[in-house]
Amino acid sequence: AQKITQTQPGMFVQEKEAVTLDCTYDTSDPSYGLFWYKQPSSGEMIFLIYQGSYDQQNATEGRYSLNFQKARKSANLVISASQLGDSAMYFCAMREGFSGGSQGNLIFGKGTKLSVKP
Amino acid sequence: NAGVMQNPRHLVRRRGQEARLRCSPMKGHSHVYWYRQLPEEGLKFMVYLQKENIIDESGMPKERFSAEFPKEGPSILRIQQVVRGDSAAYFCASSPQRQGPDTQYFGPGTRLTVL
Repeated sequence: AQKITQTQPGMFVQEKEAVTLDCTYDTSDPSYGLFWYKQPSSGEMIFLIYQGSYDQQNATEGRYSLNFQKARKSANLVISASQLGDSAMYFCAMREGFSGGSQGNLIFGKGTKLSVKP
Repeated sequence: NAGVMQNPRHLVRRRGQEARLRCSPMKGHSHVYWYRQLPEEGLKFMVYLQKENIIDESGMPKERFSAEFPKEGPSILRIQQVVRGDSAAYFCASSPQRQGPDTQYFGPGTRLTVL
């Protein structure tokens, strides 16, 4: 079974509108972290936002927020007021075992390609 | 504070040659992770190293691939006798500690093309 599932291979959004990128995860570990990375066409991986499994509040970083629904095991990324520069691949990732016994590597989804239309 | 450095950014090799990829972690980071990204795919974990130690190489192919992180100098990912299927982007990430919420910061990647 896939540990990280991103069901949207591609998404379009109009400039200045908000968009939600879906991510569901599968783990039996009570202690884990969820991450979103952006990969523009230039290829680098840019960290966007982090959510810990025990965090009470949804994470926010500027125009990025993470809609964390623990019971549903979903960690959707919300980008508000989309800009043309937001066009990129977006990857959801998980790191398990914060409480111990983990080697700490990230498990990535297949990504969602976001295209922002002017 | 310089970010994670990787070189070369692009590497072209013919089948059967060796590819050597370098990664210098961020200052103060002693944990290095290597990931591989095949075209149209997400990143897949390969190996996790600390200085002079391989901690987890469960994601690395058993043959032709090796990694090291010496006491001095960058981490090296070595691919011997490359084949066309090795063509991919190879990313290095570093973090200050193994567990907890510390984010892994990625280098720009090395794009390996095998002719």
